[in-house]
Amino acid sequence: DGGITQSPKYLFRKEGQNVTLSCEQNLNHDAMYWYRQDPGQGLRLIYYSQIVNDFQKGDIAEGYSVSREKKESFPLTVTSAQKNPTAFYLCASSLTIYNEQFFGPGTRLTVL
Amino acid sequence: SQQGEEDPQALSIQEGENATMNCSYKTSINNLQWYRQNSGRGLVHLILIRSNEREKHSGRLRVTLDTSKKSSSLLITASRAADTASYFCATSPQGGSEKLVFGKGTKLTVNP
Repeated sequence: DGGITQSPKYLFRKEGQNVTLSCEQNLNHDAMYWYRQDPGQGLRLIYYSQIVNDFQKGDIAEGYSVSREKKESFPLTVTSAQKNPTAFYLCASSLTIYNEQFFGPGTRLTVL
Repeated sequence: SQQGEEDPQALSIQEGENATMNCSYKTSINNLQWYRQNSGRGLVHLILIRSNEREKHSGRLRVTLDTSKKSSSLLITASRAADTASYFCATSPQGGSEKLVFGKGTKLTVNP
């Protein structure tokens, strides 16, 4: 099956800990994205990558980091510098940055 | 920064009725996209309309775009209970980096 997967579905973290969210796609898409969604809100862009080995900050990059070493993978690390990390995190990919985006099922992160 | 604003924020209708959701935006765009999100899930792309198009259809969906008014509408005809979801518009602003900017969404409830 082709698609985009995120793991884990639920994640709990203690304050002060870094945590990495996984995002994998087998759609052969060049572009990948990370969004954050808070209750009752739209999506806000954290980071995006137009091509492997390249990524750009989105609107709310502070406290987050990413890497794009492989075309299929775009992991997101939520660092202890992110002051309010509890949220629903969505990963997406698209053929190019000009095409429609395909979303993964999301990871719900809760900071205890 | 928020580009698209959906209206209404919430809509409740009976099965079989039509549902209309509107999206207004602020700057010129390359395209506008509509997405659907079931509760706690990822987003699903519904339809993309380019700035030089005025109307597009896909099954029971009809999207219009009025660039002079900077607005779009999504019409779902003959709604079903399974259409219950949140619907988001996303714009690709001109002159930028082609990043999508999402609105806060319209929560649609279709009552059986």
